[in-house]
Amino acid sequence: DIQMTQSPSSLSASVGDRVTITCRASQGISNYLAWFQQKPGKAPKSLIYAASSLQSGVPSKFSGSGSGTDFTLTISSLQPEDFATYYCQQYNSYPYTFGQGTTLEIK
Amino acid sequence: QLQLQESGPGLVKPSETLSLTCTVSGASISSSNYYWGWIRQPPGKGLEWIGSIYFTGSTYYNPSLKSRVTISVDMPKNQFSLKLSSVTAADTAVYYCARIIMGLGIDYWGQGTLVTVSS
Repeated sequence: DIQMTQSPSSLSASVGDRVTITCRASQGISNYLAWFQQKPGKAPKSLIYAASSLQSGVPSKFSGSGSGTDFTLTISSLQPEDFATYYCQQYNSYPYTFGQGTTLEIK
Repeated sequence: QLQLQESGPGLVKPSETLSLTCTVSGASISSSNYYWGWIRQPPGKGLEWIGSIYFTGSTYYNPSLKSRVTISVDMPKNQFSLKLSSVTAADTAVYYCARIIMGLGIDYWGQGTLVTVSS
């Protein structure tokens, strides 16, 4: 199985800040990488696919980059609704695997 | 607007079989562009891929669960289903169904349903 490792596991930031979350795959996955946002008690929401493409309706404050083994999710100008847990997922090969999650908290 | 809705018992006894159904509305489950998956999340933990199915019936199961999992599709009802046998407390989780676009990953998730394994 491909292991997905996110860092940091948790992150404190203020409204208006810009933050970056990283995701590393244990082997190359090309750009078959997705990012999801999950709020407490809710289903994950798809944000980004193919490492850098925004899902329909996702604001441009979210951006993704990377290829191969190293990827980043950047959120600019944090708003209260952005504080949540973020997961990366590889869909290059089965079994599709997720990172352990990064919890973004208000400072 | 695409919607996926999980349904099934919220409580299952140990050693029995967990059965869930995902009803798809707003899209045809027989579309050649998509396949359909199940993901679960134990309370307070991360996400685990269970398996997926294409409308032809072709399936993929996570090897960690393969001996206990069956995913099937019912095209007339526009539904797909999950069966997980011989459950234990470790199978207690929120179970999500999802639509997967070929080559592009998950775009839509169901709201999830909590299944508790307990006697």
